[in-house]
Parts: sequence; C-alpha cells; structure tokens
Amino acid sequence: AQRVTQPEKLLSVFKGAPVELKCNYSYSGSPELFWYVQYSRQRLQLLLRHISRESIKGFTADLNKGETSFHLKKPFAQEEDSAMYYCALSGQGKYGNKLVFGAGTILRVKS
Amino acid sequence: DAGVTQSPTHLIKTRGQQVTLRCSPKSGHDTVSWYQQALGQGPQFIFQYYEEEERQRGNFPDRFSGHQFPNYSSELNVNALLLGDSALYLCASGRPRGSSYEQYFGPGTRLTVT
Repeated sequence: AQRVTQPEKLLSVFKGAPVELKCNYSYSGSPELFWYVQYSRQRLQLLLRHISRESIKGFTADLNKGETSFHLKKPFAQEEDSAMYYCALSGQGKYGNKLVFGAGTILRVKS
Repeated sequence: DAGVTQSPTHLIKTRGQQVTLRCSPKSGHDTVSWYQQALGQGPQFIFQYYEEEERQRGNFPDRFSGHQFPNYSSELNVNALLLGDSALYLCASGRPRGSSYEQYFGPGTRLTVT
C-alpha cells in the first residue's frame, strides 16, 4: 500500500532555529518523493522533489530508502517559512502517477 | 499565464443534488488530475485525465465522474451528494515526460453540502 505519514500536525519554532519536518513513506518499488507548501491564502505549490536534489528557499530533503524517510530540513527558520507543508509520493506510471499526500504539518515560526 | 484555474470558487449544494466543477489547465499542459481535500487532511487522488480519457482512478465511488475536453480543460461531476462530500476540490495539471512529472495546482473549489 502507498502511504505517507507526517507525524506532527504542528511544529512551532523560533526564528533562526533549525527546522525538521518529518515524513515517512510506505511504497513497494521506487517512488518519487516531493514536498509541497501552501502559504496562507495561496495555492498548493511544489517546494522540492528528491530527484532534483536542489535546495529551495534554504530547504533540503534527503531520501533515505533504508528508513523510508524524506525529512525536510532548514538550518535557520524565517518567519516567512510559516505555512502548511505536505509530503507526497508518486509511483511510476505511463501517464505520470497520482500523488499520495500525507496529512500535512503546520510550521509556525515565532519571532 | 494564469496557471491552473478552477470555477466556481465556492459552492453550496443540498444532499442528493448533483454538482459540476470546472478546471482549465496551465498553458502547455495536457493532463489533468482531481483531488479531494477534506478539512485537516491532505489531498486525496480522485482520477486523472489524459487524451480525453480517464487513465487512473483513486478509491472513489462511481458517483464521481469526469470529462476532459479537446482543449484539455476538465470537469468533475459528483452525483447524489452526501454530507461527506463537503471538501476542497483541487485540480492539478501537468505534462508527463517519463515516469512522473511536476503537477501544478489550482486554487480549488470549496464545496459545502448541507
């Protein structure tokens, strides 16, 4: 079964503190992992995907196949990082596969 | 390019009624997927359309149906509405190249069933 688990509903940190949003997944095969972000009153948008191995807005995420995890990290949180973050996976499919989302984690960065 | 657009923004329907939601994909995209997002949950995949055919379907009953038009726009139809169908319905478009692809989301349609 395809499943994404985000264990924290809310993560509250102070500005300048490190951030780690946890994501674990269950998938038999080689999934592609994503982080999506939704800022207040904005649409869901892609933050990063594991195959790109990019750092976006200071965020990075490493796919750990042994631990089936794809945690999102940022060394120094900023107030503008406050948003809802969703981890998602996609399997393999001829037409591009469906996205399976976790329940999301609200990140609140306090000043 | 306005990106993915959806209409209407909000909708209130009564139990048992039928509803049609609309989606226009981002320019250059030919694949449309629909997701249901209940309050406090992540989006759940309903189905995906490509070349005017349903290509994949999630775990949703037949009351949920769709259509894709030659201009790649899409409709989601829900019949015999239930209170539990109240949710935000998201449309996402993309252009598959290879085994997966980036999907761009619309702002959603908020459906309330009373």
